[in-house]
Amino acid sequence: AQSVTQLGSHVSVSEGALVLLRCNYSSSVPPYLFWYVQYPNQGLQLLLKYTSAATLVKGINGFEAEFKKSETSFHLTKPSAHMSDAAEYFCAVSVGGYQKVTFGIGTKLQVIP
Amino acid sequence: GAGVSQSPSNKVTEKGKDVELRCDPISGHTALYWYRQSLGQGLEFLIYFQGNSAPDKSGLPSDRFSAERTGGSVSTLTIQRTQQEDSAVYLCASSLVAADPVQETQYFGPGTRLLVL
Repeated sequence: AQSVTQLGSHVSVSEGALVLLRCNYSSSVPPYLFWYVQYPNQGLQLLLKYTSAATLVKGINGFEAEFKKSETSFHLTKPSAHMSDAAEYFCAVSVGGYQKVTFGIGTKLQVIP
Repeated sequence: GAGVSQSPSNKVTEKGKDVELRCDPISGHTALYWYRQSLGQGLEFLIYFQGNSAPDKSGLPSDRFSAERTGGSVSTLTIQRTQQEDSAVYLCASSLVAADPVQETQYFGPGTRLLVL
């Protein structure tokens, strides 16, 4: 069985501040891990994915995430928040391809000017 | 089009009615997925089509839900005798299946917002 837990359904940061969105996973086998972003009235867009290569994964829009097996975590970070980063972010896990991907409940990011 | 498209974008229906939701995947993508996104919940997998293989229907919540994919392209998700708890955003995604999942990327459509009154 696989699952993800996103800590914090809502996160607020000031423009220019560090963005940190937390995700912990549970998987019986080495997982693939994903972060998606969803802007209002749009579908999900893949930010980045971890597939057992480098533990630090760089994605689009300046985001990155680090796979930490010892902590079963895959937190998403961005050094400096931009107003356009305001959206909902989903962490997801699978044990192979995209079939049967399990998504977290999402974290809404608010960026305060 | 260049991306995954879904129609209608919004659907309001009365309890007990049937609805059909359509998904046009990216041309050439062999895999197609349906998800449901309910308020305050993550995405829930519904069904997966891959090429000519039998679909994986393990995520369908009840026998009121069904889906088909004609000609390996367009897919229709049908909900019969809709209930209020069916209200959600229904998302479709497609991908070009690669031998190595590392090479595969899933693309989502904008979703259909279903409201059952």
